[in-house]
Amino acid sequence: SQTIHQWPATLVQPVGSPLSLECTVEGTSNPNLYWYRQAAGRGLQLLFYSVGIGQISSEVPQNLSASRPQDRQFILSSKKLLLSDSGFYLCAWSVREWAEAFFGQGTRLTVV
Amino acid sequence: GQQVMQIPQYQHVQEGEDFTTYCNSSTTLSNIQWYKQRPGGHPVFLIQLVKSGEVKKQKRLTFQFGEAKKNSSLHITATQTTDVGTYFCAGYPNFGNEKLTFGTGTRLTIIP
Repeated sequence: SQTIHQWPATLVQPVGSPLSLECTVEGTSNPNLYWYRQAAGRGLQLLFYSVGIGQISSEVPQNLSASRPQDRQFILSSKKLLLSDSGFYLCAWSVREWAEAFFGQGTRLTVV
Repeated sequence: GQQVMQIPQYQHVQEGEDFTTYCNSSTTLSNIQWYKQRPGGHPVFLIQLVKSGEVKKQKRLTFQFGEAKKNSSLHITATQTTDVGTYFCAGYPNFGNEKLTFGTGTRLTIIP
C-alpha cells in the first residue's frame, strides 16, 4: 500500500533562518507531488507541484523553493524565513490523470 | 488564474440540523473532489464527481456536480458531532493539467 511521510511535525524557527521540509512517498512510482500551505483557520494555498523528477511548477512567487531530487521525494526550502512563512505545510501525492490526493500529516511551522 | 470559492466560510448548526456548503470555480473543472479536514488534522478525500450533473451519496452526505462543471455542493442531513471539521472542494482545471486547486473551505461546528 502507498504511504506518505512528512517531517518534522512541528518546527519553530527564527526569522532569517533556512528551512528544509521533506516529504517522501512509498509504494507508488512517478506520483504527482504537491506542497500546500494553510494559514491558521484558512484554506489550502497551492505552493508547488511536480509531475516528474526535476520538474517543478511554482504557483506563488515568494521566498520558498521546491525540489524533486528523486521520484518519490519532494523538498520545500527557504534560504531566509519570514514571519509570514508561518503556517501548516502539507505535502500530498496523487497518481496521474486527475486522481484524488493523499496528504501527509503536515508540518506546523512557527517563525519567531 | 483559477479561483475556487466556497460559501459559507463558517457554519454553526444544532446537532440534527442539515448543512450545505457550495463550491464555485472561476473556470470549468474536469472533475470535482471533496475533502474533510478534522481540527488539527490533514485533509482526507471523501469523493470525486466527474460527469456534468452527477449526484453521489455517502450515507448522510449528498454531493452534486453542476451542469456547467463549474460548481458543486455538499449536503449533510441530520448532522452529528462527528461531522465537525472543514470541508474543502478541489478540482483540476482541465484535462492534462495536474494542478489541483482547493476551495476556500467551509468550517462546520456542531452545537450539541
